Amino acid sequence: QLQLQESGPGLVRPSETLSLTCTVSGGFISSGTYYWGWIRQSPGKGLEWIGIIYYSGSTYYNPSLKNRVTISVDTSKNQFSLRLSSVTAADTAVYYCARNLAYCGANCYSSWFDPWGQGTLVTVSS
Amino acid sequence: EIVMTQSPATLSVSPGQRATLSCRATQSVSSNLAWYQQKPGQAPRLLIFDASSRATGIPARFSGSGSGTEFTLTISSLQSEDSAVYYCQQYKNWPPMYSFGQGTKLEIK
Repeated sequence: QLQLQESGPGLVRPSETLSLTCTVSGGFISSGTYYWGWIRQSPGKGLEWIGIIYYSGSTYYNPSLKNRVTISVDTSKNQFSLRLSSVTAADTAVYYCARNLAYCGANCYSSWFDPWGQGTLVTVSS
Repeated sequence: EIVMTQSPATLSVSPGQRATLSCRATQSVSSNLAWYQQKPGQAPRLLIFDASSRATGIPARFSGSGSGTEFTLTISSLQSEDSAVYYCQQYKNWPPMYSFGQGTKLEIK
């Protein structure tokens, strides 16, 4: 059974960089079938898609965060990671990682997220 | 940007009754819509994909319908464990620009 688990600091100072890692078990990121993504949830903005990555490193980001976001993958560790720079209090949220069932054959198709990790709360505060 | 709007914000229904939740898109997403259930302290769980297909392990009392801009999640014969917040998500475009509704909180009386 595929499982995802987020890890990283729960407190980040304003203007610094938020860094989280998602560890995948029960399956391999490098299997190449699907994408892997980050979503966050804050009381003020609900669920917000951050970005997705393919095992090859190909990424797609939410334009509203694109200038501050980097998602990377480490297939040797079966992990993918999120970095969000120049954080403010508005970036305080529960951050989830999830498998995104988007795929590319002759064409590419967007998709839903399943399963999700349990989520990790990140608070931005001095 | 496709904006998803859910209604009502809160719904209170008695056990054994039917709940109908709505999701509207600002432009057509065809059938590229998913529904999720989120209970307090838990991650969202996929219920429905492609507007009407139930995810693995989801009880038959959950059903989805609609296409284009109007979608409905129906939960028949409500049970106490169905108390949760329900979200819709569209996945129409590539490159992806995913968006979620703001959620409907379902309370069981």
